[in-house]
Amino acid sequence: RKEVEQDPGPFNVPEGATVAFNCTYSNSASQSFFWYRQDCRKEPKLLMSVYSSGNEDGRFTAQLNRASQYISLLIRDSKLSDSATYLCVVKFSDSWGKLQFGAGTQVVVTP
Amino acid sequence: EADIYQTPRYLVIGTGKKITLECSQTMGHDKMYWYQQDPGMELHLIHYSYGVNSTEKGDLSSESTVSRIRTEHFPLTLESARPSHTSQYLCASSEPPVLAGAPSSTDTQYFGPGTRLTVL
Repeated sequence: RKEVEQDPGPFNVPEGATVAFNCTYSNSASQSFFWYRQDCRKEPKLLMSVYSSGNEDGRFTAQLNRASQYISLLIRDSKLSDSATYLCVVKFSDSWGKLQFGAGTQVVVTP
Repeated sequence: EADIYQTPRYLVIGTGKKITLECSQTMGHDKMYWYQQDPGMELHLIHYSYGVNSTEKGDLSSESTVSRIRTEHFPLTLESARPSHTSQYLCASSEPPVLAGAPSSTDTQYFGPGTRLTVL
């Protein structure tokens, strides 16, 4: 079983719609959580950190559910430029700075 | 934008050649990492370093080696390239936490643009 699991998608989303997807992690001692965005053939870039109380950054909302060991990302009012692969990233408490990456969820926003 | 650079961006090379992938960052970060990523697959950590003269192997076994003689420089070397080494190699760096257990934002890793390696 992978330590961080994501639905690979693709999630085909009409422009302006809302899309949400989850990521599950296996290590209950996980400490930090992030969503990264990776465009095709590009490097990953931090989209947002995920805080225990949930947090929002513009059209993006991230939630953490420690009891069920998953985090979620919701994108409102999708733009064509939101088309990308979204990587769920977890830092386990026993790993020095090392991050565990999920394989990513592909989102395709269509006109 | 993060100040982390990788060269070359693309490399096509024959089997048996020795190659070095360069990675440099100007942010003064102590921690640096090398990842390997195949198309459509997750990133796999192959090497990391928490400072000068420290290097560790990552979660994915790799025939490559790394060195960290200077804070800003973390090159990766393949002594004898093989077709199985064909992949994208991504370098990253991150800040150390100010205090133990510091907020998660200090774990942010900044990635270079990657080197796409093809071994024929």
